This record gives sequence, structure tokens and C-alpha cells, in this order.
Amino acid sequence: EPEVTQTPSHQVTQMGQEVILRCVPISNHLYFYWYRQILGQKVEFLVSFYNNEISEKSEIFDDQFSVERPDGSNFTLKIRSTKLEDSAMYFCASSHRTGGSSYEQYFGPGTRLTVT
Amino acid sequence: GQSLEQPSEVTAVEGAIVQINCTYQTSGFYGLSWYQQHDGGAPTFLSYNALDGLEETGRFSSFLSRSDSYGYLLLQELQMKDSASYFCAVRGDSSYKLIFGSGTRLLVRP
Repeated sequence: EPEVTQTPSHQVTQMGQEVILRCVPISNHLYFYWYRQILGQKVEFLVSFYNNEISEKSEIFDDQFSVERPDGSNFTLKIRSTKLEDSAMYFCASSHRTGGSSYEQYFGPGTRLTVT
Repeated sequence: GQSLEQPSEVTAVEGAIVQINCTYQTSGFYGLSWYQQHDGGAPTFLSYNALDGLEETGRFSSFLSRSDSYGYLLLQELQMKDSASYFCAVRGDSSYKLIFGSGTRLLVRP
């Protein structure tokens, strides 16, 4: 069964450093998302991406964040200058476009980001 | 704004039935979904309701009442592996982003 993959599984970085989190969405999906989950809290929407551009972003997704689909398979989230409060699990998700299945988002296993 | 309320924790015994409620407040409404998340794992889609009524998928069912801004997830014949967090999530506007509730931690006891 196709699945969303993410690398790395765990990233430790120092405050102020740049990190890039990588995702490979399911190949025939058209919508891509990044969410984050601070330990013990709810999943929060960051950004959605469709047709090679951002379709929506949340208040969390400020100028320090960017997303890119550099080729036909990868989808990346970059944090330019990490802060302590960026420590969280970051989930990539993807979904179809049409029909009921567009509401079913498939989540990757996540990247645990620890900022020290 | 958009907000969802669900109980923080529910405990039940193996073989029993449990219902996890979710009430929501959104400026628009395009559907209510339920996701399961085991500790350290990713959210996994369980069900989706766009219209009023009950949707059944095996041991899990989900119900929606749009007039009451309310839904629930019903888990039958509980198994130990059902111990996890369960999140309701709404699609509140024409975008496909999901707004998640704070989650209900279900503990299934033998």
C-alpha cells in the first residue's frame, strides 16, 4: 500500500540553525500539507500546497518557514532560523483532489525536531 | 474562528462499546473527520461525515448532526490495540486543511 515517507525521523539542531525536513507524498496525490504537533498537544495545520504553490498557510507559518517541491516527488519544509519553540513533531500529509477521498489525508510517520 | 471540543480521556474495558463526542464551532463546515494516533505514531484516518447520520466501517462508526454542530465516534468490541488518542477534525472552509480537536486519550483495560 502506498505511504507517505519522511526523513529524517529525528533531527536535533541548535537554535538559529536552518533545517530542512523532507517528505515524499503518495505519488498520485495532488494536495500536500505540513502539520506540527508539540508533545502532548493537538495537531496544528501549517501549510497546504497545490499546483506548485502555497494554497493556504496558518499564522504559525511565518517568514521563517518555506515549502518547496523541488522535483516530482519530494516536498520539503525549511525553517530558516530555528527557535526553541519550533521543537515539535512535524507531519507531512497528502490527499487526492476529487471525491470523498480528498478529505482523507494520509500522514507520514513524522520528523521529531529538537531545537537546543 | 474555529474550535473543537472533545473529552480529554476515556477509559473502557475490553469488549465494551465507547463513544467519543466532539462539538465544533466553525464559520463554515465541509465535513468532520476522525483520526487515530498511537503514541509516537502518525494520525491515521478513520472516518469522514459530510452529511447527517451514521457512517459505519467495521467496528468503528461515526455520527454527525450538523444542526447541533456535534459528532461522535463509536468504537465497538473494544480491543487492547484500540488504546490510542482519537482526534476529531473539521474542514471548515473550501480549503482542504484540517483543524484538529485536542484529542481524546482512550485507555482500554483488560
